[in-house]
Amino acid sequence: EPEVTQTPSHQVTQMGQEVILRCVPISNHLYFYWYRQILGQKVEFLVSFYNNEISEKSEIFDDQFSVERPDGSNFTLKIRSTKLEDSAMYFCATWEGISGNTIYFGEGSWLTVV
Amino acid sequence: AQRVTQPEKLLSVFKGAPVELKCNYSYSGSPELFWYVQYSRQRLQLLLRHISRESIKGFTADLNKGETSFHLKKPFAQEEDSAMYYCALSGPGAQKLVFGQGTRLTINP
Repeated sequence: EPEVTQTPSHQVTQMGQEVILRCVPISNHLYFYWYRQILGQKVEFLVSFYNNEISEKSEIFDDQFSVERPDGSNFTLKIRSTKLEDSAMYFCATWEGISGNTIYFGEGSWLTVV
Repeated sequence: AQRVTQPEKLLSVFKGAPVELKCNYSYSGSPELFWYVQYSRQRLQLLLRHISRESIKGFTADLNKGETSFHLKKPFAQEEDSAMYYCALSGPGAQKLVFGQGTRLTINP
């Protein structure tokens, strides 16, 4: 079965530092997403990305966050200046773009801000 | 507003017993409903979706528009069903998923 790959699996960073989380989508997928799950809480939508631009974002996705697909393969989530409350599991997901087809999730990147 | 409610954070049943994980939703329109499962230390996987009306690993879910529910059921639980289960919805074509809080299902031997 095709897989979405995320790196790193776990990162510890100091408050105020920049973090980049990476995702390698499934090769023929066109839509990319980031979700986050704070420990003990629900999985929350952050942003969707299509045709090299953001198609939708939630109120969580403020100016501290950015996404890009710089080299046509990796899809990245950057947090500019991390806060303690950014500690969470971040999931990348991708979709082929055909109605009825499945969205595939990566294994997640666990971010701990200290 | 789009909302998914899973009232049980934890559910524990014995092997062979029936299982029902509850899910209610709020959406103005016709959403698409899903159940995702997350086994220990693994990624979120789609278990089933209401439009396909299929049974996966013995689980079924029926969309009840009158009660705005999409409960997940299995007549005879197995130990390998122990996992975290998430109900989710999306609007037509949008594909942004709104998740419930999740229910941790534990099947006791």
